Amino acid sequence: GENVEQHPSTLSVQEGDSAVIKCTYSDSASNYFPWYKQELGKRPQLIIDIRSNVGEKKDQRIAVTLNKTAKHFSLHITETQPEDSAVYFCAALNSGGYQKVTFGTGTKLQVIP
Amino acid sequence: NAGVTQTPKFRVLKTGQSMTLLCAQDMNHEYMYWYRQDPGMGLRLIHYSVGEGTTAKGEVPDGYNVSRLKKQNFLLGLESAAPSQTSVYFCASSADMNTEAFFGQGTRLTVV
Repeated sequence: GENVEQHPSTLSVQEGDSAVIKCTYSDSASNYFPWYKQELGKRPQLIIDIRSNVGEKKDQRIAVTLNKTAKHFSLHITETQPEDSAVYFCAALNSGGYQKVTFGTGTKLQVIP
Repeated sequence: NAGVTQTPKFRVLKTGQSMTLLCAQDMNHEYMYWYRQDPGMGLRLIHYSVGEGTTAKGEVPDGYNVSRLKKQNFLLGLESAAPSQTSVYFCASSADMNTEAFFGQGTRLTVV
């Protein structure tokens, strides 16, 4: 099955700075990589996803990059704001094989005002 | 549009007791999932279903059973609760395996 590793486990940044969270995966056939945000006491919610046929995707202050050769992908948040404080989970899926999403262990992001 | 709804939100069980968690979705999704969330371990898949009448084991299925008799409902059962099953349980659904998963609000279960 798939194995997803996520780093760092905690991250503190000053408001306005950028934050980067990195994930690696083991199954070279994985082709779908979503990122979820979970605010304290709330449910996880999708913030961005990327498929294996693209290398980068942006949505306002959020971007995700994918390097299939190295089997790693990253979440980039620019101009961080206090409301970005949450736990972020990366995930990977091989839709042609082991048909389920495997999550990383999460990164707790704290944005300091 | 309610999305994904879990019941109950909180529960305390004694070791050895049984219970069923109910997940209901109104989005006509084929795929449904049960996860448990423990500190430092992310979301781990317990069981999942790719359609009405089907179920499959995830990463941590031991001690749990599931049923998907109706497309909109996915039930998670604990036959004999153990303290190791103390966790926050999330149900989720998606239209397809590689599309957005919508999560329920979670159930905090404590086994004493």
